[in-house]
Amino acid sequence: AQSVAQPEDQVNVAEGNPLTVKCTYSVSGNPYLFWYVQYPNRGLQFLLKYITGDNLVKGSYGFEAEFNKSQTSFHLKKPSALVSDSALYFCAVRDIPTTDSWGKLQFGAGTQVVVTP
Amino acid sequence: DGGITQSPKYLFRKEGQNVTLSCEQNLNHDAMYWYRQDPGQGLRLIYYSQIVNDFQKGDIAEGYSVSREKKESFPLTVTSAQKNPTAFYLCASIEATDNEQFFGPGTRLTVL
Repeated sequence: AQSVAQPEDQVNVAEGNPLTVKCTYSVSGNPYLFWYVQYPNRGLQFLLKYITGDNLVKGSYGFEAEFNKSQTSFHLKKPSALVSDSALYFCAVRDIPTTDSWGKLQFGAGTQVVVTP
Repeated sequence: DGGITQSPKYLFRKEGQNVTLSCEQNLNHDAMYWYRQDPGQGLRLIYYSQIVNDFQKGDIAEGYSVSREKKESFPLTVTSAQKNPTAFYLCASIEATDNEQFFGPGTRLTVL
């Protein structure tokens, strides 16, 4: 069964500094990996995904993520954080879809990002 | 605008009562999902449906029920059998050939 871990409950960073949110995964085959962001009392917004191809994936709002197969990681990064990036970030992994299933998403517990001015 | 709507935004229920949460999408997506979110636990899958008139249990289906009579609608009923129903509930959908899930704004259910 697939699983995903976000080892940090909270990440604190000063505005303008680089931001990294860590994610490691476990799947039986090649993974589909996703990052989502959630603002208070709102639904999740899709940031980016890795299916295949380049290990560096670029997404919305200046975010990018690096897929590392040997380390089974998919860390989210932003070169220069903004106060408005303060939110809850979720990593998710999905098995390759089959005819019997679109492939359920398994979410990490989430990492709260706090960007201070 | 295409998207997913959930209603109501806030819902209060007395213990012992059933309550139904609405989820509607106009994205023409085939598959729909219900998640429960609790602080520090991420999202947990309750039920999902890949096609009209068919649905499957997720990881925490006990105390919940769903129906999928129309492609656009996937209502979730929280029954009195659910021991701890106070949570934030999120509905999502996905197109058959696409990969990311689209989420609704959520319903916060509080049991009084």
